[in-house]
Amino acid sequence: GQQVMQIPQYQHVQEGEDFTTYCNSSTTLSNIQWYKQRPGGHPVFLIQLVKSGEVKKQKRLTFQFGEAKKNSSLHITATQTTDVGTYFCAGPLNTGTASKLTFGTGTRLQVML
Amino acid sequence: DAGVTQSPTHLIKTRGQQVTLRCSPKSGHDTVSWYQQALGQGPQFIFQYYEEEERQRGNFPDRFSGHQYPNYSSELNVNALLLGDSALYLCASSPGPSGLAYEQYFGPGTRLTVT
Repeated sequence: GQQVMQIPQYQHVQEGEDFTTYCNSSTTLSNIQWYKQRPGGHPVFLIQLVKSGEVKKQKRLTFQFGEAKKNSSLHITATQTTDVGTYFCAGPLNTGTASKLTFGTGTRLQVML
Repeated sequence: DAGVTQSPTHLIKTRGQQVTLRCSPKSGHDTVSWYQQALGQGPQFIFQYYEEEERQRGNFPDRFSGHQYPNYSSELNVNALLLGDSALYLCASSPGPSGLAYEQYFGPGTRLTVT
């Protein structure tokens, strides 16, 4: 079935190292959203990408949407302990006449001092 | 400006029972979506409500039903609870009818435990 996968599942980095998570959809997406969920918290919206090949930056975070609109990535430069959490991508996958927002499997980031 | 609120925070129920969870959307939002998040997994879309009607539905059985009121608040009802229904239930609101194309503002969730 249609799905959204993310790799890696877990990532442990030393503070100051870079981090990247990759998101792959089985079908073309009209848009891709990224969320961050802190341990014990709820998902918080980070950004939405709409255009093919789009790149957006938020301070140390860089988001990319693939040319085919089937994959995306989130790169964090010089991680900090405040970056700890699980990062989810999400996109609307069509199910017949409707579409549902489908979340990826998530990448859990742990930052060590 | 209040964000999305949900009640209760935690709930413990027995198999076979029924449960009702409640959600108030962010001010200015008229579309409410419900998600189920099992431990260690991503949120799974249950359904979305707009103008008091269910507009989209995920792969959940009919035991899961909902309602939206004229003030845009919403309820999620689950009948005949199973152990597998234990999860964090998240409510998210967004502006406009094309809710899936907008960012979702999530509430803190209701942690449901079925014993």
